[in-house]
Parts: sequence; structure tokens; C-alpha cells
Amino acid sequence: DIQMTQSPSSLSASVGDRVTITCLASQSISAYLSWYQQKPGTAPKVLISAVSTLQSGVPSRFSGSGSGSGTDFTLTISSLQPEDFATYYCQQGYTAPYTFGQGTKLEI
Amino acid sequence: QIQLVQSGGEVKKPGASVKVSCKASGYTFNKYGVSWLRQAPGQGLEWMGWINAYNGDTKYAQKFRGRVAMTTDTSTSTAYMELRSLTSDDTAVYYCARGDWFFDFWGRGTLVTVSS
Repeated sequence: DIQMTQSPSSLSASVGDRVTITCLASQSISAYLSWYQQKPGTAPKVLISAVSTLQSGVPSRFSGSGSGSGTDFTLTISSLQPEDFATYYCQQGYTAPYTFGQGTKLEI
Repeated sequence: QIQLVQSGGEVKKPGASVKVSCKASGYTFNKYGVSWLRQAPGQGLEWMGWINAYNGDTKYAQKFRGRVAMTTDTSTSTAYMELRSLTSDDTAVYYCARGDWFFDFWGRGTLVTVSS
């Protein structure tokens, strides 16, 4: 199975901060990388698919990028808003079983 | 709007089976796959498998093969996931989601508790 490793596991930040979360795949996953946001007691919500495609309705302060190697990916929130405090997951869709990172908990 | 409405929570004894339903609306059901994922308490997300709502083809995670069955009823736009031989490790929130390799709409989740 492809292992997805996120860093950091938790992050303290303030409203207005720029935040970056990284995700490393154990092998190349091409561009089959998505990012999700999950708030307590709710289902995950997709933010970005295919490395950098922003999903409909997702604010433009969220962006995704990849290094081009197919293994290193980044989620950036340009200016944190109060509603952004949540847990974020990366997910590979290249090879089943589709696997997720362990999550990054973004806290105030 | 697109919705996936899941069945209610279940409490099961070890060794039993559970069948969770997921009724889709707001889109053409057989044009998209339905995936099933789960999340144990305080843990991360785990993909269980996927069903092609058009032809019923399935793809299961190796971990669940032989113990899980995913089906659809296109007449009611409903997907089902049955998990057999439950153990306490299967206690989790089970989600259905639209999509095969990424998941753009999710149900609210169904809590399945396995306890003697």
C-alpha cells in the first residue's frame, strides 16, 4: 500500500497567518492527490483534487501544489480564517487501496 | 442539491453483520461510483472500497475482501455496504461518498458500534 505521511501532525496558528501542510507519498502518485478538511463530528469536505484543482465553493485562500516528482505535495492557506481551524488530510487516488495521511490538526 | 443520506446508527454484537444504506439525490446516480470509507473513534480515514453504480463492478481494499459486500439499487439510487463477522475493531463511523479516486460529496456518516 502507498503510505502518505503528513507534517506536521499538529499546528498552532493565528487568524491571518499563512500556513503550509506537507504530504509525502511513499512512491510516485502522479497527480492523484486530494486534500480534505474535517471539523469535529462532521464528514470530510474535499478542498482540492488533482494536486491543485480547487473544488467549487472553496475559498481561494486554499491552494495546492506539488514538486513535480509525484511524491511531494503542499496545501497552503494564505490567510487563516476562524472557520479554517480543523483537521486536514491528504489522500492518494493513484492505486487502490486509496490511502490518507494521518491528518494535521490546525489549532489556534 | 447533491445529497447522500445514510441510514441510522447501529449497535451490533461481535460476529454479527451490519448493512448500511446511502440514498443519493441531486445527480444521475449511475454516472458516478460510490465509495465507502470509515473512521474509528479519534482516528484517521480508511478507504474500504468502491462500486461502479452503472455496472456494479466493485473494488475492495484487501483488508476487507471476503467480509464486505457493496451493492447498489439503481431504481432507488441507493448504495449499500454490508460488513460481516464484526469485531470491536469495526466500531467506527462509516461514510459513503461519491467518486472513485477522490470523493466530492459525502454522507453524514453512520456510527456502527460493536459491543457484547
